[in-house]
Amino acid sequence: AQKITQTQPGMFVQEKEAVTLDCTYDTSDPSYGLFWYKQPSSGEMIFLIYQGSYDQQNATEGRYSLNFQKARKSANLVISASQLGDSAMYFCAMREGPVWGYGNKLVFGAGTILRVKS
Amino acid sequence: ETGVTQSPTHLIKTRGQQVTLRCSSQSGHNTVSWYQQALGQGPQFIFQYYREEENGRGNFPPRFSGLQFPNYSSELNVNALELDDSALYLCASSLVAGRDTDTQYFGPGTRLTVL
Repeated sequence: AQKITQTQPGMFVQEKEAVTLDCTYDTSDPSYGLFWYKQPSSGEMIFLIYQGSYDQQNATEGRYSLNFQKARKSANLVISASQLGDSAMYFCAMREGPVWGYGNKLVFGAGTILRVKS
Repeated sequence: ETGVTQSPTHLIKTRGQQVTLRCSSQSGHNTVSWYQQALGQGPQFIFQYYREEENGRGNFPPRFSGLQFPNYSSELNVNALELDDSALYLCASSLVAGRDTDTQYFGPGTRLTVL
C-alpha cells in the first residue's frame, strides 16, 4: 500500500488566491513526521513546513499552513495569496518513527504540479 | 539556499561504468541521506549516513554504496551502471539530536544520464 497519496496530479490557481494541495498518509506508528517540499524546475527540493504527529496545533510558516487531520490521516498544504513564483511541483513526505530512530528516511508521494495563473 | 552542495551538476556515463557523486552537508548537520528521483516521480530513499556509519538503506542493490567523512560530507558510488540508473540524485543533510526535528535540507542534485 502507498504510504503517501497525493491525488491531484496537477492544479491551477489564480494569482493572489489560496490553494489546497491534498495529502493522505498511511502508518501504524504513533510517532511520525509530515513534511512538504517544493521542487521548481531547477530540481532542488525546498523545505516548506513540518508537522509532528504529537503536535497539537497545525503548523504555519508564512503563507504556508498545514491542515493536519490526524483521524483522517490527512496533511493538506494550504498556500495563501498565491504568487507566480509558487508554480512548481509539491511533494508531501513522511518520516515513520521517532526522530531518534534508526534510518529516519523520508517516503515521498508522487507530487502535485501547481500552476499559478496571472 | 540550504548550504548543501552537490557535485557535479550533470554527468553522462555509459552502461557498465562507475560513478561517484559528492555532497557537502549544511554546517552543523551530522546526517546525510541520498535519494534517487526518476523523471516524473517522487524521490526514493537510497541510504543514510550518521556519524560515518550507514544508518538505514532503501531497496537498492549493493552496487549502490556510500561513505561519510569526518566533516560529514558524503559520497554516493554506483558501480556497473544500468540505463535505469538515469535520474536526479539528491543529497539531504539533517541534524539528528535527541527529540529535535530532523528536517532534511536538500542540495541542488546531480543529474545522471546513462547511455
